[in-house]
Amino acid sequence: DGGITQSPKYLFRKEGQNVTLSCEQNLNHDAMYWYRQDPGQGLRLIYYSQIVNDFQKGDIAEGYSVSREKKESFPLTVTSAQKNPTAFYLCASSIIVGGETQYFGPGTRLLVL
Amino acid sequence: KQEVTQIPAALSVPEGENLVLNCSFTDSAIYNLQWFRQDPGKGLTSLLLIQSSQREQTSGRLNASLDKSSGRSTLYIAASQPGDSATYLCAVLISGTYKYIFGTGTRLKVLA
Repeated sequence: DGGITQSPKYLFRKEGQNVTLSCEQNLNHDAMYWYRQDPGQGLRLIYYSQIVNDFQKGDIAEGYSVSREKKESFPLTVTSAQKNPTAFYLCASSIIVGGETQYFGPGTRLLVL
Repeated sequence: KQEVTQIPAALSVPEGENLVLNCSFTDSAIYNLQWFRQDPGKGLTSLLLIQSSQREQTSGRLNASLDKSSGRSTLYIAASQPGDSATYLCAVLISGTYKYIFGTGTRLKVLA
């Protein structure tokens, strides 16, 4: 089955710790995205990538970093500089950037201890 | 700055009722508009995508319309069922960018 997987489902971060959220897709899509969802707010774009070894900042990139070394994978690191990381994180992909349907993963909920 | 608003924020209806969800956006320079469904604690599932040159799209009991000039889209759900209970989000793709702007969603509950 083609799709997007995210792991873990729940992640706990301690003060000052960096954590990495995994996103893998087997849809052969070039474009991948990371969104953050907070209660009562719409999804906000953190980073997106059009192609391997390329990525661009979204609206709320501060405190986050990404890499795109493989077409299938787009991991997101939440660094200690992100002071309010508690949220639901969603990864998505599309055939190309813009203009096409985005397919979403099941999400990772990040909580701070 | 593009803003997307969805009204109402929450809606409860009896099973079998036809209903309309609303989405409005402030800047008509959009490339397309998508409607998504989100179940609690889950990711988003795309329901319908309307290109800026189109007026509507249909899939089964769902029909989405787009009026770019007035900055409005509606999602019509016919003969609602308890399985339709979810949060429905709309998102617009800003022309000339790769950025979708999402609304805050309408939380729908269909009562059996």
